[in-house]
Amino acid sequence: DIVMTQSPDSLAVSLGERATINCKSSQSLFYNSNNENYLAWYQQKPGQPPKLLIYWASTRASGVPDRFSGSGSGTDFTLTISSLQAEDVAVYYCQQCYSGTWTFGQGTKVEV
Amino acid sequence: QVQLQQWGAGLLKPSDTLSLTCGLSGGSFRGYYWSWIRQSPGKGLEWIGEVNHSGSTNYNPSLKSRVTISLDASKTQISLKVNSVTAADTAVYYCALRGPWYDPWGQGTQVTVS
Repeated sequence: DIVMTQSPDSLAVSLGERATINCKSSQSLFYNSNNENYLAWYQQKPGQPPKLLIYWASTRASGVPDRFSGSGSGTDFTLTISSLQAEDVAVYYCQQCYSGTWTFGQGTKVEV
Repeated sequence: QVQLQQWGAGLLKPSDTLSLTCGLSGGSFRGYYWSWIRQSPGKGLEWIGEVNHSGSTNYNPSLKSRVTISLDASKTQISLKVNSVTAADTAVYYCALRGPWYDPWGQGTQVTVS
């Protein structure tokens, strides 16, 4: 199985400041045939299912504010919230879509 | 847009069979895999298994011996059965469409084994 490791486990950020979450995979998620990284990011608020934020490592899902951005390639990826808003308090997960067994990171809790 | 709604029993005793259903509305899942995922404090988000439009299934090897996912004839509902549950199966269970990322998700069902 591909192991996904996020860091940090939690972080506290002031409103309006930048939040950065890292995700590392145990093997490359880059698919040569289409030049895409099979990595997605999700946001989960209490009592709700995860919500897709980013796919292909850097493409925002429909309706996702542009303060959310994804970057990275191969085995190292980053989710950045450029200016934290109160509604961004949540747990964030990365997930590899490269090969089954589909696996998730352990989550990063973002607080104010 | 496509929406998923799930239902099923939430309180089980050890050795019972967990049974959940997920229904799809607002579209088709052709071209996707319809999946079950669970979330527990101890193990985080764990993929259970999936079925495609042809009825072909894939399972997490760690659960494969106890899990069955099936697709109904109308292809608008899937079911999850987990045999011989223990306290370790206590979790919130979600259905979701994968293609290749998970979107949308069902609302989740808390299943407690006690």
